[in-house]
Amino acid sequence: DTGVSQDPRHKITKRGQNVTFRCDPISEHNRLYWYRQTLGQGPEFLTYFQNEAQLEKSRLLSDRFSAERPKGSFSTLEIQRTEQGDSAMYLCASSLALGVKNIQYFGAGTRLSVL
Amino acid sequence: LAKTTQPISMDSYEGQEVNITCSHNNIATNDYITWYQQFPSQGPRFIIQGYKTKVTNEVASLFIPADRKSSTLSLPRVSLSDTAVYYCLVGPDEGDGGSQGNLIFGKGTKLSVKP
Repeated sequence: DTGVSQDPRHKITKRGQNVTFRCDPISEHNRLYWYRQTLGQGPEFLTYFQNEAQLEKSRLLSDRFSAERPKGSFSTLEIQRTEQGDSAMYLCASSLALGVKNIQYFGAGTRLSVL
Repeated sequence: LAKTTQPISMDSYEGQEVNITCSHNNIATNDYITWYQQFPSQGPRFIIQGYKTKVTNEVASLFIPADRKSSTLSLPRVSLSDTAVYYCLVGPDEGDGGSQGNLIFGKGTKLSVKP
C-alpha cells in the first residue's frame, strides 16, 4: 500500500503562469478529493470525483481552476494565470465509497508559492 | 451545515491524558463525528470516528453524549510526538449519499506537548 501520492511536493511559479499538480490515490479508492490549505487554517474543500465523474465543486474553485480524473485513476489540478492569492498547500485525499464511513486518506500535499 | 467549535490551542506534558472537546450544536441525524491529526507539512491523518456513546481504538477514545451536540477526543499518556493540530469534523456518511462539500475542517486545536 503506497498511500496517496502527490507530485510535485513544492512548486514555485511566477504570477500569471499555469501550474498543474498530480495526485495518485490509493489504488482501490473510487473517490478523490482536492483541498486547499493556507497557513493557520484547516483544509478547505475544493472538489471531488467519484471514479471519473466530478460530482461536486466548491465556490472556492474559480474558473481558473480545473480538475480532471481521466479513467478514474490519478487526478490533475490545474491553475491557470496564477495569482499570489493562490499560494497555499494543495491536498489530495481518497476514500472508498462502499456504504462505509467517509474516512479520507490524505497525501502530503503540494505547496505552491506564487511570486 | 454542522459547524464545529474547538479550542484554538492546548498545552500538556508528556505522560498526561489530553481531552479535546468539540462543540457541534447543529449536528444532523445522519452526521458522523470524525477526528483528524495533522503534523506540519503533512496531510491530515484519520484518528477516530463515531456516531454516539464511546469509541476506542489503539490511539484514542471518542466520547459522545446522548444529545451528540459535543464530542471529546481523549489521548492517553501523550508524548512529544503527539504535538500536532487536531481537527473535529461533522458530516454525512458517504453511504447515505451526503454532500461531500459538507465536510468542514475549521482551524483545529493546536496541541503542544512539553517534556
